[in-house]
Amino acid sequence: AQTIHQWPVAEIKAVGSPLSLGCTIKGKSSPNLYWYWQATGGTLQQLFYSITVGQVESVVQLNLSASRPKDDQFILSTEKLLLSHSGFYLCAWSLGWVYEQYFGPGTRLTVL
Amino acid sequence: GQQVQQSPASLVLQEGENAELQCNFSSTATQLQWFYQRPGGSLVSLLYNPSGTKHTGRLTSTTVTKERRSSLHISSSQITDSGTYFCAMAGNEKITFGAGTKLTIKP
Repeated sequence: AQTIHQWPVAEIKAVGSPLSLGCTIKGKSSPNLYWYWQATGGTLQQLFYSITVGQVESVVQLNLSASRPKDDQFILSTEKLLLSHSGFYLCAWSLGWVYEQYFGPGTRLTVL
Repeated sequence: GQQVQQSPASLVLQEGENAELQCNFSSTATQLQWFYQRPGGSLVSLLYNPSGTKHTGRLTSTTVTKERRSSLHISSSQITDSGTYFCAMAGNEKITFGAGTKLTIKP
């Protein structure tokens, strides 16, 4: 069975500090991977997607970057956090672009 | 650009009543999926339905691709159905979520 793990579960960070969030998929090879952001009480906004190792496409610019260093790993990061980065970050995977998506448990980020 | 509109924004029902949620999208969808989210929780996939009618348990989704709409029907609602329901579509370049329907089921 496939499992998707996100770390950390929650973070409280200062404005201007760096950030790294991680996502790991087990039990599925070469999945499509996605990062989403959700403001409190809001909808989900797709940030990045990756079809293969080393390739990441940006969907929206939020002063964030993403990388896929391994087939089963997706990293979201920034060197300088903004207040507007606060929210819920969700990683998801699918077999392909037009296939069903499955979400991880999410990371709640608070920027102070 | 690619847009997804959900209605109603919120819905309050008595336990046992049926719920009907709507999703309209602005461009051809190659993928259409319904999700459920509890407050503070992650997203749970309910139904993947790019076209036609799909069922699972008390849930039925009908997607009419050429009319760019999808619906989610919840029969015999239960208090545990309370939460927010999202539909999401995949276009050519990105995946777009609707704003969600907040469903509250009262005893």
